[in-house]
Amino acid sequence: ETGVTQSPTHLIKTRGQQVTLRCSSQSGHNTVSWYQQALGQGPQFIFQYYREEENGRGNFPPRFSGLQFPNYSSELNVNALELDDSALYLCASSSVAGEQFFGPGTRLTVL
Amino acid sequence: SQQGEEDPQALSIQEGENATMNCSYKTSINNLQWYRQNSGRGLVHLILIRSNEREKHSGRLRVTLDTSKKSSSLLITASRAADTASYFCATDASYKLSFGAGTTVTVRA
Repeated sequence: ETGVTQSPTHLIKTRGQQVTLRCSSQSGHNTVSWYQQALGQGPQFIFQYYREEENGRGNFPPRFSGLQFPNYSSELNVNALELDDSALYLCASSSVAGEQFFGPGTRLTVL
Repeated sequence: SQQGEEDPQALSIQEGENATMNCSYKTSINNLQWYRQNSGRGLVHLILIRSNEREKHSGRLRVTLDTSKKSSSLLITASRAADTASYFCATDASYKLSFGAGTTVTVRA
């Protein structure tokens, strides 16, 4: 167990809807990163938050947005869902040493 | 595009044998991390090796890093059925990890 939790575990939405995924980071970690993993592929970096500010962003459109709260937990919001957004969404919190520890993920299915 | 590329894509071995998988990458890195993933769930951190390190051990795992060749290898010794999983290398160049597509390892009893 890494101490990183995510909710919900599974989610089914329809095209055009909006979704919010949540992540609680490991105690003592102030950096949270989000990744999207399509079936059969490696995770793709979406963005990172450090002390409530976005610290870097991957090649994802603006309809992917996020927040980090004072307790370092985080949300990923996706608007106008598309079929290709179906994936496993992973969040990771980082230690000072640089290791990123991942949560169990949220499986999103868009119909 | 993905930074790391694992090789082979899939590996099937007998319990007790060693498993070796390789990772190649394209740009300079701060460190390289190996992860395991079971059945499409969360990633389990295995080991981190920094760019100024050449070899690292953790239990039955041995990781090497050759920055001149931009490559790394992960060796799992004396494999067990529980080692059946997908293994990913991830390069850390700045603030993000860049993953390859992974190596799927099957350990046969």
